[in-house]
Amino acid sequence: GENVEQHPSTLSVQEGDSAVIKCTYSDSASNYFPWYKQELGKRPQLIIDIRSNVGEKKDQRIAVTLNKTAKHFSLHITETQPEDSAVYFCAASIRHTGNQFYFGTGTSLTVIP
Amino acid sequence: GAVVSQHPSWVICKSGTSVKIECRSLDFQATTMFWYRQFPKQSLMLMATSNEGSKATYEQGVEKDKFLINHASLTLSTLTVTSAHPEDSSFYICSAPGLAGGLGEQYFGPGTRLTVT
Repeated sequence: GENVEQHPSTLSVQEGDSAVIKCTYSDSASNYFPWYKQELGKRPQLIIDIRSNVGEKKDQRIAVTLNKTAKHFSLHITETQPEDSAVYFCAASIRHTGNQFYFGTGTSLTVIP
Repeated sequence: GAVVSQHPSWVICKSGTSVKIECRSLDFQATTMFWYRQFPKQSLMLMATSNEGSKATYEQGVEKDKFLINHASLTLSTLTVTSAHPEDSSFYICSAPGLAGGLGEQYFGPGTRLTVT
């Protein structure tokens, strides 16, 4: 099955700085890559996603890049705010096998005021 | 957006008993639902794919006789943890695809916190 790795596991940044989280995947058939934000004890919330036919996508302070050749994708958060502090998960999905999500190991982001 | 609910939100049971967790799609039909388990400070691990009207598909290493899944209708999937043990204590989350048969977002339930004493 798909194997998704995520780095770093923890990340601390000063408010206003940028944060970058990176993920790699193993199955070249993966074609959908969402990013989720999860607060303690709550359900994951989709923050941005990208499909394999797109190299980059941006939504205000959040952007995601995808390199299909290298099989890695990254989340970029600019102008970080304290409310960005949470655990972030990347995931990979293969449509033709049922669209199951395989999640990365998570990154605990702390934005220091 | 689409809403997925879970019940109960938390449950405490004694070792050796069984616990049933329900996952409902409230405003859409879901022929497929997914069950995940999340241990503290860890990632969501896919346990199984629940298919309406047919048997669930389990991920490698997940005991199908211990984690019974039933998807009896287009809006309800249940996960029963049989003969629960303390090591089964975890956060269980279900999800359903937003687009039937399509590629895209999944909608997650709020999760069920299971504690086995």
